[in-house]
Amino acid sequence: AQSVTQLGSHVSVSEGALVLLRCNYSSSVPPYLFWYVQYPNQGLQLLLKYTSAATLVKGINGFEAEFKKSETSFHLTKPSAHMSDAAEYFCAVSSNAGGTSYGKLTFGQGTILTVHP
Amino acid sequence: SAVISQKPSRDICQRGTSLTIQCQVDSQVTMMFWYRQQPGQSLTLIATANQGSEATYESGFVIDKFPISRPNLTFSTLTVSNMSPEDSSIYLCSVVKLVASYEQFFGPGTRLTVL
Repeated sequence: AQSVTQLGSHVSVSEGALVLLRCNYSSSVPPYLFWYVQYPNQGLQLLLKYTSAATLVKGINGFEAEFKKSETSFHLTKPSAHMSDAAEYFCAVSSNAGGTSYGKLTFGQGTILTVHP
Repeated sequence: SAVISQKPSRDICQRGTSLTIQCQVDSQVTMMFWYRQQPGQSLTLIATANQGSEATYESGFVIDKFPISRPNLTFSTLTVSNMSPEDSSIYLCSVVKLVASYEQFFGPGTRLTVL
């Protein structure tokens, strides 16, 4: 069984400040981990993914995330927030066991990021 | 990447009726899925749409309520049957183009309101 916990349903930062969105996962097998962003009235866009290669993963729009097995975490960061980063962010986990588990994502509850001028 | 379109983009339906949602991809994909996002909640996987065979449903979802078709590698439909207000959600189609890419793409969603 897998689960994802995103700490903080709402995060507010000032423009130019560090963005830190927290994600902890639980998985009985080595996981694949993903961050998606959802802008208002739009579908989900993949920001980045961890698939058991480098633990520090760089994504689009200046975001990155670090896989820490010991902490079962995959926190998303961006050094300097931009107004256009305001959106809802979802962390998701998938099993890398393949077969019938492939592509079945378990999502966290989402974190709404607000960026103040 | 994969460009995914869904029809309709939104609809308002009466209790007891059914709605069929279409998902069209611009290129052949390996896997297709249907997810539900209830108001204020996260996404939940409904089922895997299998080409030419019955869909594989997750716990809590059944074929009679959510019949799914996938006649080819670029198209799938999800029907929400005998709707109730609890079915009001955003329904999203998702695809994996290449298994080795580990990339899963999502459509824009269909926003369904049941009165």
